[in-house]
Amino acid sequence: AQSVSQHNHHVILSEAASLELGCNYSYGGTVNLFWYVQYPGQHLQLLLKYFSGDPLVKGIKGFEAEFIKSKFSFNLRKPSVQWSDTAEYFCAVKPYNTDKLIFGTGTRLQVFP
Amino acid sequence: GAGVSQSPRYKVAKRGQDVALRCDPISGHVSLFWYQQALGQGPEFLTYFQNEAQLDKSGLPSDRFFAERPEGSVSTLKIQRTQQEDSAVYLCASSLAKGTFNSPLHFGNGTRLTVT
Repeated sequence: AQSVSQHNHHVILSEAASLELGCNYSYGGTVNLFWYVQYPGQHLQLLLKYFSGDPLVKGIKGFEAEFIKSKFSFNLRKPSVQWSDTAEYFCAVKPYNTDKLIFGTGTRLQVFP
Repeated sequence: GAGVSQSPRYKVAKRGQDVALRCDPISGHVSLFWYQQALGQGPEFLTYFQNEAQLDKSGLPSDRFFAERPEGSVSTLKIQRTQQEDSAVYLCASSLAKGTFNSPLHFGNGTRLTVT
């Protein structure tokens, strides 16, 4: 079955630290890839997306992600986190032959000043 | 409005009661999705509409769950004879295009259902 794995369930960082959140998926065909963020008390918001082309994708708020097809991975990175990045982050995959997004279980990020 | 609107925000139901959850998608959005998010989990797909047509209902967990979008805009998710395992946040999302390929989803704030 198609699935998405987020290896880090809870990450705690100090401000200015670098961030990398792992995401791996199991699907051999063409995919769209997404990272969504959910700030406390708010709805899921799109952080960035990969449809095609350059595998290094830049999103809002200084986030970026790299699609490595050979590793079935789409890891999220940020060079220097801020307290305001405290949120839950969800990786999601959309296989070409379906209309639904398959989400990972999420990673809770806490950033301390 | 500017975003996807869901009501109510919170719903408490006694086991066995029926509930109805409403979703107002972004105006003009063709596709509408329902997801279920249990505590500590990511959202899981329930069903998908393209305009008024329900194209995929493979994620509905049982025949107690029913969704409709009769005029291709507002959608209602109905759960009959609620059970404790139905407790979750129910998310609605819409997208401009048919399907979600090349068209990102916009989510609502969700309805938190608690079955006691």
